[in-house]
Amino acid sequence: NAGVTQTPKFQVLKTGQSMTLQCAQDMNHEYMSWYRQDPGMGLRLIHYSVGAGITDQGEVPNGYNVSRSTTEDFPLRLLSAAPSQTSVYFCASSLGQGMYFGPGTRLTVL
Amino acid sequence: GNSVTQMEGPVTLSEEAFLTINCTYTATGYPSLFWYVQYPGEGLQLLLKATKADDKGSNKGFEATYRKETTSFHLEKGSVQVSDSAVYFCALGRLIDEKLTFGTGTRLTIIP
Repeated sequence: NAGVTQTPKFQVLKTGQSMTLQCAQDMNHEYMSWYRQDPGMGLRLIHYSVGAGITDQGEVPNGYNVSRSTTEDFPLRLLSAAPSQTSVYFCASSLGQGMYFGPGTRLTVL
Repeated sequence: GNSVTQMEGPVTLSEEAFLTINCTYTATGYPSLFWYVQYPGEGLQLLLKATKADDKGSNKGFEATYRKETTSFHLEKGSVQVSDSAVYFCALGRLIDEKLTFGTGTRLTIIP
């Protein structure tokens, strides 16, 4: 099993650009979620999904979109990047007994 | 709403010292409690968990007990090693949908 994979590992964007952070898991987990990690703030939930076709907002959803068309994939879209979205983004999946996290994407918005 | 407060870091200890990282929480209902560890340049890994009051989670020599009366879930290890150097996060959540609330993290450095 590859576990939870994320691409890219690093990304630099200019303000206003759009991009998609990819996340995939091969463990047949129903739950998937996106967190952002900022210094001194721990991890904050952006969006989550309890199964294919079902998504919901977390604590900090503004500026981000998600969709879940398959069990395996849960991409995160930034529609118009802003400097406040500079962060490390983690995707995670679970069957309900604890989350498995991907290695993260470090995003810088200039 | 839910919140997690964990001790400020960084924490620096000598090898073989006793470790305690404090974690307290506020929550509605009966959440599960977790400790995650993040090694440099990596994602978070589940270290241990407890799903109900008085449960003790343990893994790799670390342990934590779910104390409902003091709303705490302190992480302990009897003898730390250099390889335990990492950032430790306390979290609470519901197993039904896995929405987690994290503390701010405690950076631990162990010196030989």
